[in-house]
This record gives sequence, structure tokens and C-alpha cells, in this order.
Amino acid sequence: EADIYQTPRYLVIGTGKKITLECSQTMGHDKMYWYQQDPGMELHLIHYSYGVNSTEKGDLSSESTVSRIRTEHFPLTLESARPSHTSQYLCASSGAVYNEQFFGPGTRLTVL
Amino acid sequence: LAKTTQPISMDSYEGQEVNITCSHNNIATNDYITWYQQFPSQGPRFIIQGYKTKVTNEVASLFIPADRKSSTLSLPRVSLSDTAVYYCLVGDLYGSSASKIIFGSGTRLSIRP
Repeated sequence: EADIYQTPRYLVIGTGKKITLECSQTMGHDKMYWYQQDPGMELHLIHYSYGVNSTEKGDLSSESTVSRIRTEHFPLTLESARPSHTSQYLCASSGAVYNEQFFGPGTRLTVL
Repeated sequence: LAKTTQPISMDSYEGQEVNITCSHNNIATNDYITWYQQFPSQGPRFIIQGYKTKVTNEVASLFIPADRKSSTLSLPRVSLSDTAVYYCLVGDLYGSSASKIIFGSGTRLSIRP
């Protein structure tokens, strides 16, 4: 079983707050990803990283930012949360094979 | 970029074999076909991957015809716990950009007792 962790699992927060969603993996994978998924809807790639100090924006525009200072850690930050940011955020990682991604359990964010 | 088309939903019963077909008419020579499974409130889980003919593992089989323009995920003797969304992805394993890995809408499989 893959070792990729996300915290918190659930977060309810007020508008305007700054939040950071944590994602860590212990597999030594170079590639890491953040997806956003609303209930019953498609996954949308919002950020990805090929390695330390490498980050790119995905297909879905997002007001969040990411950083990759260590191989195992890929946090996502929202400077000022809004109700439109309410969604599930899924972190994933992969080794050399892009198509074989390992997903974390997700963070369900609710912004009031 | 190879686009995939899958049925939006399928229903079946426990103990039956379920086949989910994915169309990918524009598949490129270097592209592989990958299937994921996603349970409610969880991240997707890799099931199986193949390039041509047939691949089988402990979870499923993947059938790919010679022209590779479609593929079929086969789940033998399904149970209620196989109720999930199944995604078909097509892409180059090593040379693709991460942004080209598109999960799409998937097929929502419902298994009944």
C-alpha cells in the first residue's frame, strides 16, 4: 500500500482565513500533484511538481499556491479562503511513470 | 492528447462479470491505457495498465484489441464493494506532461444484491 498522507482530513473555516493543506509521501517520488474534486464530479489538476523547487499550474485555474522545498512534502496554501474554494483536495505522487499515481485520502474543505 | 469516452454509468448484480469499455480513437503509439477505481470520499486507486492484447492481475483484466482504439476493463464476479467510479486514462508513461493526465468523468458502477 502506498504511503501518502494528507492533513487535515476535514476542515471547516471562515471566509478570509489563510489555510495550508499538508501532503507528504514516503515513497521518494519525484512527481507530486494536487487535484480538486467536487462531489460526484471530475478530478481537475490544479498544481503539479516534477521535483524540488519545481511547481507548475494545472489545467484548472486555482487561487491556491504550492511549494516543493523537500521531496516528500507538497503543501497547498490558500491565502484568503472563500466559499467558492469549498471542495475536496486530493494529493498524489508518482515515480517515473506518470500514469501510475498514488493518491492520499483527501482533505474536504468547507469555507463558510 | 488522446481523449477517452466511457459510459457515464452502469448497473450490475453481485456475482456477475462486468465489462466497462473505453474508447480512445486518437491513441498515440507511445500511449498506455490505465484504469483507476475511486470509492466515495477517497482518492482514486490504480487498478491496471496495459499497452496491447490482455493484461490480468488479482483485481481485473484489461483487454486491448489490435487497433488499440478501445479497451475493456473486466471485473470478474463483482460484489457490492466494487461499487465505485472507474476512470480510463490514456497517455505516454514517461514522456508525457503531468497536465496531460486527464481523469475525465469516469463510469459510475453500481452493484446491486
